[in-house]
Amino acid sequence: ETGVTQTPRHLVMGMTNKKSLKCEQHLGHNAMYWYKQSAKKPLELMFVYSLEERVENNSVPSRFSPECPNSSHLFLHLHTLQPEDSALYLCASSRTGTAFETQYFGPGTRLLVL
Amino acid sequence: AQSVTQLGSHVSVSEGALVLLRCNYSSSVPPYLFWYVQYPNQGLQLLLKYTSAATLVKGINGFEAEFKKSETSFHLTKPSAHMSDAAEYFCAVRWNQGGKLIFGQGTELSVKP
Repeated sequence: ETGVTQTPRHLVMGMTNKKSLKCEQHLGHNAMYWYKQSAKKPLELMFVYSLEERVENNSVPSRFSPECPNSSHLFLHLHTLQPEDSALYLCASSRTGTAFETQYFGPGTRLLVL
Repeated sequence: AQSVTQLGSHVSVSEGALVLLRCNYSSSVPPYLFWYVQYPNQGLQLLLKYTSAATLVKGINGFEAEFKKSETSFHLTKPSAHMSDAAEYFCAVRWNQGGKLIFGQGTELSVKP
C-alpha cells in the first residue's frame, strides 16, 4: 500500500468516550502532521512530529493527545471531546530538510461528537 | 504578518470554460508555493508546486500556475473546465525551508454543464 492512510474514515463518539485516530505513511518520510478542517474555516495545524519528536503543538486542548511511536505511524487519542470538535481530521507526512519539502495528505477521518 | 489570500471563496464556470483561481501572498520574498485540490470526502491532493525552475508550472489534470513575483501571485488556471474538476482548491505557502505550511481559506470550484 502506498501513500498516507487513515483509519477509521468515519467516527461518531459521545462526549465521554475515548477513541483513537490512526495514520500510517508508506512514503519513507520523517515528519508527520495532524490538521483539523472545520466547515468554513481554514485548515488548522494541530501537531507536528519530526523524527518522532513533537516539534509543534498549536495550543491544542489537552483532550487531544498525539502519539508518534515511529516515523511511519501517528495517532491522535481523543477523550471527553466537545461537539465543536466535530470536523475532518487530516494526517500528512513529508520529508524535512529539503528546499521543496512537500506534504502528502491522507483521506481524513470525519469525526462527529454528539 | 505573512499571509496567503485566495480571492473568492466560490467560483462557478461552465464546462469547457477557462478556470482561474487566484492566490496572492504577502511577502516580497518569494516563498515556496503549492496548490492542493480536495474532492468531496477526501483528503488534500497535491496539484503542483513552484520549484523556481520555471515561472509557469504544470500540474496534474491539466492545471497550471504562473508565479509572478511583481504581483506576488500564483494563480491557478485550466484552459477548459471538466465536470470532474468540481472540488475545493487550496493555495499553500511556506516562507522558508523548514517553516510551516500556511494554507489559504480555499476556493470551491463548481462546474456547470
